[in-house]
Amino acid sequence: DPKIIQKPKYLVAVTGSEKILICEQYLGHNAMYWYRQSAKKPLEFMFSYSYQKLMDNQTASSRFQPQSSKKNHLDLQITALKPDDSATYFCASSQDWGPNTGQLYFGEGSKLTVL
Amino acid sequence: QEKVQQSPESLIVPEGAMSSLNCTFSNSASQSIWWYQQHPGKGPEALISIFSNGNKKEGRLTVYLNRASLHVSLHIRDSQPSDSAVYLCAVSKGSNYQLIWGSGTKLIIKP
Repeated sequence: DPKIIQKPKYLVAVTGSEKILICEQYLGHNAMYWYRQSAKKPLEFMFSYSYQKLMDNQTASSRFQPQSSKKNHLDLQITALKPDDSATYFCASSQDWGPNTGQLYFGEGSKLTVL
Repeated sequence: QEKVQQSPESLIVPEGAMSSLNCTFSNSASQSIWWYQQHPGKGPEALISIFSNGNKKEGRLTVYLNRASLHVSLHIRDSQPSDSAVYLCAVSKGSNYQLIWGSGTKLIIKP
């Protein structure tokens, strides 16, 4: 059974609209992350959270807003969508954040297409 | 800015042979180096990590790290068709412990 659940798996949006990507992890981890993977580009770090606190934000645009309602839950709200936002968004988690982060565990991703 | 480069971009290996993948990074002070495997439509899955110079072996996997030459390699012994995937090299950096990722090597094992 998947231990990190991302919803939806696929979504199509029109330019200018807003979408929310859902992520829940059942690994008991204290740190959660969002990454983006675009065609022909490396995985790109977006946000990290530890115990529901934002630890790092490498996303230049305020159109991307993470939301953590529970320790095992980290959603990603994207507003004013643009075609360049088309990508697969991965949620990940690790036992802890910091120098001994250890391995990341990834969900299966949410593939967003913006028309 | 840490950079991670992987080579080759793609690799075809006969079943049962050794697969060798390379990764170079730009900062010798980088912390751990990780290798992840990614199958189509799935998220990356961690395979093996290394921190100290030298080699580390786990099952069919061996990883070699040379910090002086900023190079790490992954070798898969007795490659199987199920090993066909994209392999990602990731290097942890700095005080915010981010992972910086390479673009990947697409490995195809031919039966």
